[in-house]
Amino acid sequence: DARVTQTPRHKVTEMGQEVTMRCQPILGHNTVFWYRQTMMQGLELLAYFRNRAPLDDSGMPKDRFSAEMPDATLATLKIQPSEPRDSAVYFCASGLGQGGFGNQPQHFGDGTRLSIL
Amino acid sequence: GENVEQHPSTLSVQEGDSAVIKCTYSDSASNYFPWYKQELGKRPQLIIDIRSNVGEKKDQRIAVTLNKTAKHFSLHITETQPEDSAVYFCAASWAGGGNKLTFGTGTQLKVEL
Repeated sequence: DARVTQTPRHKVTEMGQEVTMRCQPILGHNTVFWYRQTMMQGLELLAYFRNRAPLDDSGMPKDRFSAEMPDATLATLKIQPSEPRDSAVYFCASGLGQGGFGNQPQHFGDGTRLSIL
Repeated sequence: GENVEQHPSTLSVQEGDSAVIKCTYSDSASNYFPWYKQELGKRPQLIIDIRSNVGEKKDQRIAVTLNKTAKHFSLHITETQPEDSAVYFCAASWAGGGNKLTFGTGTQLKVEL
């Protein structure tokens, strides 16, 4: 059963440190999404890619967050420097976006639970 | 941009009863509407979805209805069981949105024995 793989599953670090989260989308999926989930804000879309090109990162604080897809099998989300308010669960999801009626479901990874002390 | 509203935010039902969660969307160009279930500490998982060319879809105890004119869609769970307890999210996407989903704020469903 194909799944989105995220690493690490848990990360605890001190404020000011760089955090890198990684995501391996399902093979063949051409869209990749990064979400942040907190109790207060629900599921927030941070950034997403189609065919490795960034389409929208308006949900991301650009002064400290960056998202990239160095290749089709890897997406990364970096925070530098990290702050306590960044503590949340970060989910990656992938899907097959074909437009029209061709949009397919997004499948989520298990998430990275991030705690910034 | 698209806006999705979801109600209620919490729902408590007795085991065996039905549960209904409702969502409204703002963009008439939206054409794909998935529902996700998220158990505590787990990832959101797709449970059912519907496209705008159909009005209803069923899968065992769950069903989704879509009213394009009113721009709302609903999740129906019949014969609820304790394992149905979770947070449910509705979402909407449109054809030109690159598969981007706009999520509702979630409904915490509790099925009581």
